[in-house]
Amino acid sequence: GDSVTQMEGPVTLSEEAFLTINCTYTATGYPSLFWYVQYPGEGLQLLLKATKADDKGSNKGFEATYRKETTSFHLEKGSVQVSDSAVYFCACYKAAGNKLTFGGGTRVLVKP
Amino acid sequence: DTGVSQNPRHKITKRGQNVTFRCDPISEHNRLYWYRQTLGQGPEFLTYFQNEAQLEKSRLLSDRFSAERPKGSFSTLEIQRTEQGDSAMYLCASSPQSGGAAETQYFGPGTRLLVL
Repeated sequence: GDSVTQMEGPVTLSEEAFLTINCTYTATGYPSLFWYVQYPGEGLQLLLKATKADDKGSNKGFEATYRKETTSFHLEKGSVQVSDSAVYFCACYKAAGNKLTFGGGTRVLVKP
Repeated sequence: DTGVSQNPRHKITKRGQNVTFRCDPISEHNRLYWYRQTLGQGPEFLTYFQNEAQLEKSRLLSDRFSAERPKGSFSTLEIQRTEQGDSAMYLCASSPQSGGAAETQYFGPGTRLLVL
């Protein structure tokens, strides 16, 4: 079955540092890829998505590029803020399966 | 705000009791999903409805679990004879049906279940 692997956390950064969270997937066919974010005490929110190879998703200063050759969808942000402290989940979706398959999540803590 | 809502937000029960959770999706969405999230893990798919039809069920959904969406609007997830291993966050999501490659799922705040 499909699977998603993302780097384990926690990732601790200082404000204005560069953030990268690695995500790789295993799936047949052509999945769509997502990053969701879960802020403390809140539900999952869609951060960004990409639906085909070489697409770049972006939102709130975060970016991720769908790399089919490396089956990756790494999340990056050039300058993090304390408010970016959250758990980030990478996920893949195939229409045939009608479900999201999530990675284990990466907790990010940004210190002032 | 007309996002996905779930009730109750928290439920504490004793082992062996039955519990029922409710999910109200975004009104124009005809797809509804249930996921389970244990501490420190990503959500795991449980089941999926398109309108009132339950079209997919995970092997995680044992025969103690049942989900319904009788009129294609809200959904309920019932767990019978709860076990301590059922303690988790139960998430509901909804999405519109589109002909495109991906349907973005919008998640509710979840129901946190603790089985004592």
